[in-house]
Amino acid sequence: DVKVTQSSRYLVKRTGEKVFLECVQDMDHENMFWYRQDPGLGLRLIYFSYDVKMKEKGDIPEGYSVSREKKERFSLILESASTNQTSMYLCASSEPGQPYGYTFGSGTRLTVV
Amino acid sequence: QQQVKQSPQSLIVQKGGISIINCAYENTAFDYFPWYQQFPGKGPALLIAIRPDVSEKKEGRFTISFNKSAKQFSLHIMDSQPGDSATYFCAATTNRDDKIIFGKGTRLHILP
Repeated sequence: DVKVTQSSRYLVKRTGEKVFLECVQDMDHENMFWYRQDPGLGLRLIYFSYDVKMKEKGDIPEGYSVSREKKERFSLILESASTNQTSMYLCASSEPGQPYGYTFGSGTRLTVV
Repeated sequence: QQQVKQSPQSLIVQKGGISIINCAYENTAFDYFPWYQQFPGKGPALLIAIRPDVSEKKEGRFTISFNKSAKQFSLHIMDSQPGDSATYFCAATTNRDDKIIFGKGTRLHILP
């Protein structure tokens, strides 16, 4: 069964900490995405990547960075966590030319205290 | 700038009833309109999708209706069941890039 795996289901971090959220996919997909999900705001795109070592800013990149050193792994980095980054973070992957075929991970619920 | 507007934000329907979620878009370059279903504790999963050259697509109890001239599309869930209780996202995308634009979601609750 193909899947996208997010390393942590729940995380609690302190304000100012550097936070790493990891995502691994086993489908050999080229594209990977990071979204955050907040009530009433839906899914908002943070960063995406169409290839190894390539990254593009999404709609809300401020306060985040990403790393894609290997095709299967896409990491989201909160350089200095703040309370307004408390959210559900979702990773997804897809094949080029098949944007409807997003496969999402189960999410990481991050709480910054 | 919200490119896909979704309503209602939440919806309560009796078991056996019809659930209707509506979406509207502005960008005429969109050429694919998927719907995603998300259960609590899970990521969204593709439910059904439609292209603008088709006015309706049906898969089981789920139907997408598409009105290209009005730039609107909707999801109908017939004979709604408690197991349909979830958050539903409409979305849109183009063939020029691989990004999906999502609506803000509708929390659907089906009363037993």
